[in-house]
Amino acid sequence: DGGITQSPKYLFRKEGQNVTLSCEQNLNHDAMYWYRQDPGQGLRLIYYSQIVNDFQKGDIAEGYSVSREKKESFPLTVTSAQKNPTAFYLCASSDQTENTEAFFGQGTRLTVV
Amino acid sequence: DAKTTQPTSMDCAEGRAANLPCNHSTISGNEYVYWYRQIHSQGPQYIIHGLKNNETNEMASLIITEDRKSSTLILPHATLRDTAVYYCIVRVPFKAAGNKLTFGGGTRVLVKP
Repeated sequence: DGGITQSPKYLFRKEGQNVTLSCEQNLNHDAMYWYRQDPGQGLRLIYYSQIVNDFQKGDIAEGYSVSREKKESFPLTVTSAQKNPTAFYLCASSDQTENTEAFFGQGTRLTVV
Repeated sequence: DAKTTQPTSMDCAEGRAANLPCNHSTISGNEYVYWYRQIHSQGPQYIIHGLKNNETNEMASLIITEDRKSSTLILPHATLRDTAVYYCIVRVPFKAAGNKLTFGGGTRVLVKP
């Protein structure tokens, strides 16, 4: 089935450690996105990529890094510089045609202790 | 992207129509209205979108006022599985700004038996 897969669903890390969240899509979409969601809040954009080997900062990029070496993959690294990393992280992808919708993965819940 | 205003929460009786309002008084001429919903701890799901004409699909109907300053999402026969947070988003076409979506707080809809 075509879709967007995030793994793992739950992730625990110790404070001060970097952690990488996986996002893979087989929808042949050019664009991919990472969002963060805190309890009771809407989604906030961290980074997005419209094409391989290119990406742009979103609204809350500090403390995060990404790469886009393959069209299918857009991993997000939460670095030790991120002051409040515990959150629900959502990856999305979309086509580059006009007015297309974004498809979301099921999210990774990261807890830093 | 234009800012949207939605009620924080609303209840709906199972089997009845649910009408979800959204104000977007600063919407620009080329901005579309999108609706997504998010069931607890899952990724958002696309529902419907429109520019100025009313739209209908298998999930819902979208009614946009003539001045485009507000819209209403209609779930024709709400079921318990429609309990979710519903987000109204306005955004420019992809080529102008990518497919970035700016999420507000949304409306928390509770469908009751």
